[in-house]
Amino acid sequence: SQTIHQWPATLVQPVGSPLSLECTVEGTSNPNLYWYRQAAGRGLQLLFYSVGIGQISSEVPQNLSASRPQDRQFILSSKKLLLSDSGFYLCAWSPDRGRWDSGKLFFGSGTQLSVL
Amino acid sequence: AQSVTQPDIHITVSEGASLELRCNYSYGATPYLFWYVQSPGQGLQLLLKYFSGDTLVQGIKGFEAEFKRSQSSFNLRKPSVHWSDAAEYFCAVGSYGSSNTGKLIFGQGTTLQVKP
Repeated sequence: SQTIHQWPATLVQPVGSPLSLECTVEGTSNPNLYWYRQAAGRGLQLLFYSVGIGQISSEVPQNLSASRPQDRQFILSSKKLLLSDSGFYLCAWSPDRGRWDSGKLFFGSGTQLSVL
Repeated sequence: AQSVTQPDIHITVSEGASLELRCNYSYGATPYLFWYVQSPGQGLQLLLKYFSGDTLVQGIKGFEAEFKRSQSSFNLRKPSVHWSDAAEYFCAVGSYGSSNTGKLIFGQGTTLQVKP
């Protein structure tokens, strides 16, 4: 069966420090991968998505970047964190483009990031 | 552009009472519509989805939703709420564009509180 792992679960970082959140998926190949951010009172915002290795699409301009070095690995990064980067970050995957209409978007358990 | 609006940020109902969570969407074509539930500190779980066909769809945990094209709505309902239903609920619309990426656009969420 497929599983998605996201870590760390919580992270407290000072302003200006770097960030690296990692997400891996097991039990499937060529998934679509996503990073969402959930800020208080603002719902879920799609940050990045990827349909393949090295293919990253950014949905909103921001202080963050994403990379996909391997088929089932998705990394969210920042060189210098801002206060506004605080939030709950969720990684997700869905079946590849040929099968996405199963309607399933599988989420990781999230990372609570506090920038102080 | 696609968008989803959940007019109610917070709803409180008594245990055993009926529930309706509202969702309105804006989408240029036939939408793919979803409801997700998020328990505190957790990722999201798919409750139900609508792609086509019968406009009343059944989901897990006794939830159902009705697609009304004329009202651009996809409201979530449950006849009798249980205390364990207390969570945050997200409505989402699927963006199934030429890239077939399966991006989801989420509403801001509705927090459900259940009174004993």
